This record gives sequence, structure tokens and C-alpha cells, in this order.
Amino acid sequence: QKEVEQNSGPLSVPEGAIASLNCTYSDRVSQSFFWYRQYSGKSPELIMSIYSNGDKEDGRFTAQLNKASQYVSLLIRDSQPSDSATYLCAVKRGNKLVFGAGTILRVKS
Amino acid sequence: DAMVIQNPRYQVTQFGKPVTLSCSQTLNHNVMYWYQQKSSQAPKLLFHYYDKDFNNEADTPDNFQSRRPNTSFCFLDIRSPGLGDAAMYLCATSRVGTGDSPLHFGNGTRLTVT
Repeated sequence: QKEVEQNSGPLSVPEGAIASLNCTYSDRVSQSFFWYRQYSGKSPELIMSIYSNGDKEDGRFTAQLNKASQYVSLLIRDSQPSDSATYLCAVKRGNKLVFGAGTILRVKS
Repeated sequence: DAMVIQNPRYQVTQFGKPVTLSCSQTLNHNVMYWYQQKSSQAPKLLFHYYDKDFNNEADTPDNFQSRRPNTSFCFLDIRSPGLGDAAMYLCATSRVGTGDSPLHFGNGTRLTVT
């Protein structure tokens, strides 16, 4: 079992729709979770961090965390073509971040 | 702006010819990381420095070495690159301890091995 698992996609949504990206992790003691966006050929950039159960909203992005289910999700409202990228889920382990392989999101205009 | 800078952006080396990638930061973060990312795969941690303390991942090949001469700079040395070492190499920094910060990535170095 991989430490951080994501559906590779691609996930295709029409412009203006809500995109829902999911991630599960195996280490029950993990406390810090992150979503990074990565455009093709570029480095990852941080979108959201979440540490407590529940929802955290930042603009069009909402991160959701359920530690009992070991599940993290990212919702993107009003999806735009510029949101098309790979979204990486990351879990902190000690001083390190462990990444999932990412979900490819395609927003069609 | 405070940032993480990687040089060069693109590096071409020959099979077996040593190569060094560099990373510098102006964030004054105490931890620096080197990740390797191959196409459609997760970034894979090679090693990290917590201050001067070097931490190697168990599955990082001996072919990969690192140096951190001071807080601002960190180098990745590949002693004898093979074709399988072609990848994007990502340097990242974070502050760990008082007020942890997320990882901040540089722009990456794309390594090609011919």
C-alpha cells in the first residue's frame, strides 16, 4: 500500500463546474496535509494546507480533512481552464513531505 | 522576493559523467530537501538537511550525494549518471521548529542523460 494514494485521472470537468479531488493516506498519526498544484514541466506550488478535521476555505478552493477515515479532499469551485494541472496531495511525516502521484485535472471551456 | 533558486534550469550530461545541481535560498529556512520527479510520478525524496544534519532516505542510491556548505546553499552531486537518472530534480526548503512552514520549491532542474 502506498503511503499517499490518489486517482491518477484525468478528471475532466466543464468550465464553471466544481472539481473534486481525493486523497487517502496510510499513516494514522499524520497531522499535516497539503495540496500542491503542478503545471506540466513546472515545480509544485502550494495551494492549501489543512491540519484539523473539517473544511478550510480559501477563495475558490476548499480543503476537507477526515482523520478518522484518513481522507483528504480538495474542491475547486467555478473551475477555470487555467486550473488544468496535476494536483498533488502531500502528507507530513516528521520533517518530510510524502507526495501522492497526483491527479490530472482538465477543465474544458 | 524571498525565494528558492535552482541552477541550471536544464542540464545535459553524458552517461557516467559527474554532474552537480545547485540550490540557494533567501528564506533562511533551516531545512533543505532534494526530490527527484520522473514523468507522471510523485516527487520522491532523496535526502534532506536539517540545519547541518544530513538525512538520507533508505532507498536513495549511493550514486547521489549532497552538500550543504552553509544555510543558503545546497548541492546535489550525481557521481555517475545513468539513463535512469534523467528526471526533474526539485529543491525545496521549509522552516521546522518554531512555526513550521510548508515546503517552498525552486523551479527545478531538468536533467537529461545522453
